[in-house]
Amino acid sequence: GDSVTQMEGPVTLSEEAFLTINCTYTATGYPSLFWYVQYPGEGLQLLLKATKADDKGSNKGFEATYRKETTSFHLEKGSVQVSDSAVYFCALTLGGGSYIPTFGRGTSLIVHP
Amino acid sequence: DTAVSQTPKYLVTQMGNDKSIKCEQNLGHDTMYWYKQDSKKFLKIMFSYNNKELIINETVPNRFSPKSPDKAHLNLHINSLELGDSAVYFCASSLPSGGDTQYFGPGTRLTVL
Repeated sequence: GDSVTQMEGPVTLSEEAFLTINCTYTATGYPSLFWYVQYPGEGLQLLLKATKADDKGSNKGFEATYRKETTSFHLEKGSVQVSDSAVYFCALTLGGGSYIPTFGRGTSLIVHP
Repeated sequence: DTAVSQTPKYLVTQMGNDKSIKCEQNLGHDTMYWYKQDSKKFLKIMFSYNNKELIINETVPNRFSPKSPDKAHLNLHINSLELGDSAVYFCASSLPSGGDTQYFGPGTRLTVL
């Protein structure tokens, strides 16, 4: 079946450090890929997405590129802030009438001042 | 304007009780979902529902039932609550196509004593 694998957390960084959170997937078709972020005490919200191979999603300084050859969608940010501390979820959905998403287990990011 | 809202935000109850959580979305979406998030932040889909089809995760006990009075509402009823039902429950909505974003509510933290 379809699955999403994320690196385990927590990831702990100092402010202004470079961030990478790895995400790889397996899917039977051509998925759309997403990163969601969950701030403490809140629901998930979309951070960025990409719907086809080689697309780059970006938002709030975060970026991720849809790599079909490596089935990956790694999240990066050049300089993290304390306010980026949250749980990050990688997810995929498939087209063709199957719209229920598959989520990774989430990666907690802690940024220290 | 809140896109997806849930009530109550906190729910504390005794084992064996029956409770409901309400969800409303004002996005005009056709599809709504219920998720359960455990203490390790793992997100599990429980139900997916649109005006034509209910898809149930087969691992969800039949004590849980979704009820949709109209397209904008999907309530979650839980009978005979157990300690293991303690979690955060999220409602979400989306368009029923593979590339579309999930919009999450703020969550309901259920504690069963």
